[in-house]
Amino acid sequence: AQSVAQPEDQVNVAEGNPLTVKCTYSVSGNPYLFWYVQYPNRGLQFLLKYITGDNLVKGSYGFEAEFNKSQTSFHLKKPSALVSDSALYFCAVRDPNTGGGNKLTFGTGTQLKVEL
Amino acid sequence: DAGVTQSPTHLIKTRGQQVTLRCSPKSGHDTVSWYQQALGQGPQFIFQYYEEEERQRGNFPDRFSGHQFPNYSSELNVNALLLGDSALYLCASSLAAGGSEQFFGPGTRLTVL
Repeated sequence: AQSVAQPEDQVNVAEGNPLTVKCTYSVSGNPYLFWYVQYPNRGLQFLLKYITGDNLVKGSYGFEAEFNKSQTSFHLKKPSALVSDSALYFCAVRDPNTGGGNKLTFGTGTQLKVEL
Repeated sequence: DAGVTQSPTHLIKTRGQQVTLRCSPKSGHDTVSWYQQALGQGPQFIFQYYEEEERQRGNFPDRFSGHQFPNYSSELNVNALLLGDSALYLCASSLAAGGSEQFFGPGTRLTVL
């Protein structure tokens, strides 16, 4: 069974500082990995994904994530945080070996708070 | 280009009733998935529809059923509502091709009293 862990319920960072939101996963075989962001009372917005290739993937709004197979991690990063980045962030994993199924398994989310 | 749309936005039902939620996928997408997001939790996969058939199902009882229409839109039906069914129900659309990201709608907030 696939699973995702986001060990931090909340991350606080000052505007202009780098931010990291942690994610580790468990899945048989090579995973598909995703990051989504959710603003209050809204659906999820896609940020970036790792399917194959370069371990460092770049996404929307200056976010990037690094895939580390040996540590089974996919941490989300941004070099300089903005107050507008404050939101709830979800990591998700998909097992590609499910005969066409696209089930995403999500973590419990990390609330990011960027302060002036 | 319209993204994923869902209706209604909010819904209040009582225990034992039945509810139908609707979803229109992003233009060009042929696959629809449904998720349940309880307060303070991550979304939980309910099921996926492609070519009008259920392709994959999560750990939800048979009270949860769905349908996909020829225009790729989809419905989620929940029978015999329980208090625990209160949640945000999210619809996501994607292409069937492997690795495609899912685009989510704004959700339907269901409250069961």
